[in-house]
Amino acid sequence: QSALTQPASVSGSPGQSITISCTGTSSDVGGYTYVSWYQQHPGKAPKLMIYEVSNRPSGVSNRFSGSKSGNTASLTISGLQAEDEADYYCSSYTNTNTLDYVFGTGTKVSVL
Amino acid sequence: EVQLVESGGGLVQPGRSLRLSCAASGFTFDDYAMHWVRQTPGKGLEWVSGLSSNSGGMGYADSVKGRFTISRDNAKNSLYLQMNSLRAEDTALYYCAKGTRSSTSPDAFDIWGQGTLVTVSS
Repeated sequence: QSALTQPASVSGSPGQSITISCTGTSSDVGGYTYVSWYQQHPGKAPKLMIYEVSNRPSGVSNRFSGSKSGNTASLTISGLQAEDEADYYCSSYTNTNTLDYVFGTGTKVSVL
Repeated sequence: EVQLVESGGGLVQPGRSLRLSCAASGFTFDDYAMHWVRQTPGKGLEWVSGLSSNSGGMGYADSVKGRFTISRDNAKNSLYLQMNSLRAEDTALYYCAKGTRSSTSPDAFDIWGQGTLVTVSS
């Protein structure tokens, strides 16, 4: 089972919008609505930002939104802020026999 | 405050064993599935294992199947990971993570601990 594919880095200026893609297969992203996104600042634990493709947990800014089309999920951060600079990982439930969940390769978001 | 605190990591020789613990507080532990996720600089995040709220359902990544055993003690609000026959490739920061429902899958991980470092080396 390969990791989901994400761009290594994405950057934007404050106030801009950026989108991070997460590409999998029909056995994971394309087959289920259980895609989640995690934000991780250096030296910190991951934080859940989006679950079930597009749902935000309580307390997460509405500047973060998620979507999915076919085998690719996306995380959009609008009104980019300095505090958004972090690593972002997608994750999906998968029906393979090798594991229950697969994570993405991770994307470093830089705020210029 | 909802909190997960891992412990038990350390330096261990290949082939030896280690037991990780995760102490939960601030939520009704026996209502939720719990998971172990590990992270290495080279391979990123990797789901290791998950256990349902009543220990009736569990899953393992192929990479640890047959070597690692997940368990929980709901009376003690604690999750465990018994790791046997450790290999160099098991070296990672191990996180305990809370699921959002009672079954292990499908799910998301809404609370994470700070992690405990396991280093497998001779």
